Amino acid sequence: DTAVSQTPKYLVTQMGNDKSIKCEQNLGHDTMYWYKQDSKKFLKIMFSYNNKELIINETVPNRFSPKSPDKAHLNLHINSLELGDSAVYFCASSQGEYNTEAFFGQGTRLTVV
Amino acid sequence: AQSVTQLGSHVSVSEGALVLLRCNYSSSVPPYLFWYVQYPNQGLQLLLKYTSAATLVKGINGFEAEFKKSETSFHLTKPSAHMSDAAEYFCAVYSGGYQKVTFGTGTKLQVIP
Repeated sequence: DTAVSQTPKYLVTQMGNDKSIKCEQNLGHDTMYWYKQDSKKFLKIMFSYNNKELIINETVPNRFSPKSPDKAHLNLHINSLELGDSAVYFCASSQGEYNTEAFFGQGTRLTVV
Repeated sequence: AQSVTQLGSHVSVSEGALVLLRCNYSSSVPPYLFWYVQYPNQGLQLLLKYTSAATLVKGINGFEAEFKKSETSFHLTKPSAHMSDAAEYFCAVYSGGYQKVTFGTGTKLQVIP
């Protein structure tokens, strides 16, 4: 009964590959996010969806493409992986705008070799 | 524009001692402010949030923070540290609308037995 669940938890892949990370929330929230946390723990938003509609798209390479099939799911697909993509990716959700509590998944540690 | 600065990337306290983690913010409008905690290999969890109500905010696990507009600060405190408090703590600011939440760079709290 995990509130925000991400799969996989660990992902090791070679440069140039394409990979996807899945996220699901069972909280009934209408807003979902993808964050990237680098090796220095710096946390930066990548994308935000509200009711399946993209509302925030930070300066992220086109190789990253989020997809929200419904408001409970927000997946992240990454094409042509690069070494610099290695990080921990967090999915999160909240109800309404950012002034409410955001619930985070446990993260996906992506290592590109 | 909004930003948040956390002073001290590492803080060490003895078990039972006062915990003080510093956060200063910058916002052109009255902000919402948050403290999140991240335990090893976990996602972020909300400790407390300030949303323009009482300036002294109480959170979970005995933590509290005080909003001081004149000092643009939102420091996190706990009277007596427990070993279980060892974690990374993030301060965050949000200035309304569909702007993103901006996170600080985090402070790692070490509790010494």
